[in-house]
Amino acid sequence: KAGVTQTPRYLIKTRGQQVTLSCSPISGHRSVSWYQQTPGQGLQFLFEYFSETQRNKGNFPGRFSGRQFSNSRSEMNVSTLELGDSALYLCASSLAASGRATYNEQFFGPGTRLTVL
Amino acid sequence: QKEVEQDPGPLSVPEGAIVSLNCTYSNSAFQYFMWYRQYSRKGPELLMYTYSSGNKEDGRFTAQVDKSSKYISLFIRDSQPSDSATYLCAMTGNTPLVFGKGTRLSVIA
Repeated sequence: KAGVTQTPRYLIKTRGQQVTLSCSPISGHRSVSWYQQTPGQGLQFLFEYFSETQRNKGNFPGRFSGRQFSNSRSEMNVSTLELGDSALYLCASSLAASGRATYNEQFFGPGTRLTVL
Repeated sequence: QKEVEQDPGPLSVPEGAIVSLNCTYSNSAFQYFMWYRQYSRKGPELLMYTYSSGNKEDGRFTAQVDKSSKYISLFIRDSQPSDSATYLCAMTGNTPLVFGKGTRLSVIA
């Protein structure tokens, strides 16, 4: 079974630009979560989508947005890029949504390394 | 106070040593506790998860959870150079996963 794939793997942008990152979950997984990973803050939750609906949102500004398509593929968008947005953006998929009192393993993709100059 | 605290290291040990990695947390609603391993330029991969308090063993790895102290540990026995990676603790109750910042481990041959 193929794992979670993310494209592109590396991206260089300049301040003020916008960027769209893509994530294809494991076949059959309906939940996709996005995380930002930086050396200073670690792994921080951005948002989660399940069946095309945003289920949870982390504490990030409105410049960060996402969506999920009917085939469970997801995209996240960052507008008006800032230097501090440079990070590894990770996508994780799971069968069910979080927020349920049962264990729900998340499988991570390799990430997209975004550099903002 | 952050919800999950983890010493970032780095931690350097000789091959064959027993490694102890730890996290503390503040949210008593957390029920599931996980350890992820992340190699350089890769996404995290799940090593083990534990529900509530107790121990869980898987080969050379043992996870411990003490909910009364809000403290979790991962022990690696007979550590190998291939164990060199960043180890992240993560936990959840009815919420998205909350991660520690990760501990970078180097096992020296």
